[in-house]
Amino acid sequence: ETGVTQSPTHLIKTRGQQVTLRCSSQSGHNTVSWYQQALGQGPQFIFQYYREEENGRGNFPPRFSGLQFPNYSSELNVNALELDDSALYLCASSFLGGEQFFGPGTRLTVL
Amino acid sequence: DQQVKQNSPSLSVQEGRISILNCDYTNSMFDYFLWYKKYPAEGPTFLISISSIKDKNEDGRFTVFLNKSAKHLSLHIVPSQPGDSAVYFCAAIFPSGNTPLVFGKGTRLSVIA
Repeated sequence: ETGVTQSPTHLIKTRGQQVTLRCSSQSGHNTVSWYQQALGQGPQFIFQYYREEENGRGNFPPRFSGLQFPNYSSELNVNALELDDSALYLCASSFLGGEQFFGPGTRLTVL
Repeated sequence: DQQVKQNSPSLSVQEGRISILNCDYTNSMFDYFLWYKKYPAEGPTFLISISSIKDKNEDGRFTVFLNKSAKHLSLHIVPSQPGDSAVYFCAAIFPSGNTPLVFGKGTRLSVIA
């Protein structure tokens, strides 16, 4: 059974650019949640996707958007990057309502 | 405002001794609490959980205690081992199943051999 994978591992962007992060969910899981973990903080919920629809959103601006594909993989897109977007982005997959399994994360640095 | 608080950023414990990690929460609507462990370059992994209807849950060396009146939970690891060195996150969720995890800031545990 393959676990949750994320790509890329690390990414460096400059302010104002756009970025796309990818997540492959664990086999059998139909729900993907994205979290942002800033330095020294705990993970903060960005949004969740279930059956290709957004199914809940945290306190993040609209420039954070996402997609879920028919195979339940997911993308997180961030437009107009700001310095404060520098963080570890974690993806977690689950079967709706069940335990969330996290990927290793993508470290984004915005210069 | 932080709804889940871990007020100790770090903790050092001798191998073989007990590690106690603390967590406080402010929202009494939380009904399920979880502890996650995180190693560098890895995602958080689930460790142990407790429902709000219980006051204790045990799994091997790990025990979680919940004090609802004080809105406080703690994770006990005994005996502590060097491999337990990691960042521990306390998390909480609301009822109705499919709600996001609300995390604390984490406590870095160092177990010294």
